[in-house]
Amino acid sequence: AQSVTQPDIHITVSEGASLELRCNYSYGATPYLFWYVQSPGQGLQLLLKYFSGDTLVQGIKGFEAEFKRSQSSFNLRKPSVHWSDAAEYFCAVAGNQAGTALIFGKGTTLSVSS
Amino acid sequence: KAGVTQTPRYLIKTRGQQVTLSCSPISGHRSVSWYQQTPGQGLQFLFEYFSETQRNKGNFPGRFSGRQFSNSRSEMNVSTLELGDSALYLCASSSQANWEQFFGPGTRLTVL
Repeated sequence: AQSVTQPDIHITVSEGASLELRCNYSYGATPYLFWYVQSPGQGLQLLLKYFSGDTLVQGIKGFEAEFKRSQSSFNLRKPSVHWSDAAEYFCAVAGNQAGTALIFGKGTTLSVSS
Repeated sequence: KAGVTQTPRYLIKTRGQQVTLSCSPISGHRSVSWYQQTPGQGLQFLFEYFSETQRNKGNFPGRFSGRQFSNSRSEMNVSTLELGDSALYLCASSSQANWEQFFGPGTRLTVL
């Protein structure tokens, strides 16, 4: 069955420190991969996506993610975290056909300490 | 372009009632998907509509239904509400050309 695992429920990072959020997926075919961010009481905002090609993808707000097929992973990184990055982050996977549902991980809550 | 809009933003209902939520996609987007978000189950796919036809459906009971109009606006209906239906309901739209889904702010439904 298709699934997404985000092993870390909650992470605290000091402002200015680097960040890596882990995501592992299980999907039979070539997946489309996404990272979304959700601030309290808000909808989801797309940070970046991977469809094909270069396995290192750049997103908005200084985020990047690397697709590693051999490890079934799509980890999100940021070199220097800002207090405004505190939010909940979701990794998602989908098939490569339009209309396919997004399958989300349970999310990782990021807290930023000063 | 205006983003995805959802109305109402907040809703309080009692068990046994029914509710209708509305979603207006980004102009030009013909696909609308609905998701339920709860603390326990996380984000779960309800259904997706494209050009007024349900193209995909998640694993939810028949009490959850939806439809899409010719202008791509979509509604979802939940009948005979249960306490467990309390959730944030998110709508997302996408164009056929670009698979990327854009989410609205959600409707927070509380069932008492």
